[in-house]
Amino acid sequence: EGQVVESGGALIQPGGSLRLSCAASGLTVSRNYIKWVRQPPGKGLEWVSVLYGGSRTYYADSVQGRFTTSTLYLQMNRLRGDDTAVYYCVRASCSGGSCPEQWGQGTLVTVSS
Amino acid sequence: DIQMTQSPSSLSASVGDRVTITCRASQSVMKYLNWYQQKPGKAPNLLIYAASTLQNGVPSRFSGSGSETDFTLTISSLQPEDFATYFCHQTYSPPLTFGGGTKVEIK
Repeated sequence: EGQVVESGGALIQPGGSLRLSCAASGLTVSRNYIKWVRQPPGKGLEWVSVLYGGSRTYYADSVQGRFTTSTLYLQMNRLRGDDTAVYYCVRASCSGGSCPEQWGQGTLVTVSS
Repeated sequence: DIQMTQSPSSLSASVGDRVTITCRASQSVMKYLNWYQQKPGKAPNLLIYAASTLQNGVPSRFSGSGSETDFTLTISSLQPEDFATYFCHQTYSPPLTFGGGTKVEIK
């Protein structure tokens, strides 16, 4: 199985935009799906988005209309304080459902003035 | 949306104890259920997928069971390296959801 590496986390002001990258070696869009998961400081895991088959995307209500995911990126617009979290890119080794996964190490996004 | 309720939220146990964590879904997720272990400052580590399949490299003291709405993660004999937080996660239907976590602490 390949590796997953996220990058792009930063300190950003409220209302700003940021793009996180996900480098997933060996990714095949027809056989893998990508999801983003975040974890606010000291809290649990929160699902953000999922991309199936390279084109079907779903988002958590909290980010719908502000975040956009593609095979390689998570574009985050109109950032808010409650978006502060470590963001993980996850590649699943199947086209949908429950299967082996590879997680990145995470990248920290801090939204603050 | 499918709600995932984990219990307990925390527990204290001793090395060698048998530990059981439960996860209940608000509606059926078939067997599309993952279990993760997370240690402080680290990414979650997948232990179990499809409710009962052990991820490669995960010790056999970990096991998962259940289907539809009720799931269990069992650690047969708790080891020092198992003190961590555990999460369940349904991958059946978006929005994909996580349980609130169970922190396993040393008694």
